[in-house]
Amino acid sequence: NAGVTQTPKFQVLKTGQSMTLQCAQDMNHEYMSWYRQDPGMGLRLIHYSVGAGITDQGEVPNGYNVSRSTTEDFPLRLLSAAPSQTSVYFCASSTDRHQETQYFGPGTRLLVL
Amino acid sequence: EDQVTQSPEALRLQEGESSSLNCSYTVSGLRGLFWYRQDPGKGPEFLFTLYSAGEEKEKERLKATLTKKESFLHITAPKPEDSATYLCAVRSGGYNKLIFGAGTRLAVHP
Repeated sequence: NAGVTQTPKFQVLKTGQSMTLQCAQDMNHEYMSWYRQDPGMGLRLIHYSVGAGITDQGEVPNGYNVSRSTTEDFPLRLLSAAPSQTSVYFCASSTDRHQETQYFGPGTRLLVL
Repeated sequence: EDQVTQSPEALRLQEGESSSLNCSYTVSGLRGLFWYRQDPGKGPEFLFTLYSAGEEKEKERLKATLTKKESFLHITAPKPEDSATYLCAVRSGGYNKLIFGAGTRLAVHP
């Protein structure tokens, strides 16, 4: 199993550009989440999904969209990138609704100029 | 407001020098406290879940304990490969609401 994979590993955007961060898992996990990690701060939840076709907002959802058309994939879309979205983004998946054990991907480092 | 604070921010140890990391929390209705390890450039890796005061869990040189207000991650006779950032998170309220602390950067020198 590859676990949780994320692409790209690193991306540079200009303000106003849009892009999609890809996340895929091959563990047949129902629950998937997107977090951002900023220096000196804890991981913060952006959006999450409890199954295909079901998504909900987390703590910091503004400026981001998600969809979940399959169990395996959970892409994160930046609609119009802003410098404040410069961060490291992590995707995570879990077998259960209580997130007993979350498996994290390797992260995508995003720089918005 | 739910909050998680980890201390110290950074810790430098000599190989074999035991110590503890602290995670203090303020949460309405704790539904689990989690410890993760994060290596540079990688995603967090799950270590432990604790649910109630008095609970303890161990894994190799690591032992996590929980009280009503804080959790400790004890590191016994650490080795350089234990160097990483250790993250603490708590779950309260909704099932998917995890609140993470900023982490403790641990460096173990030979």
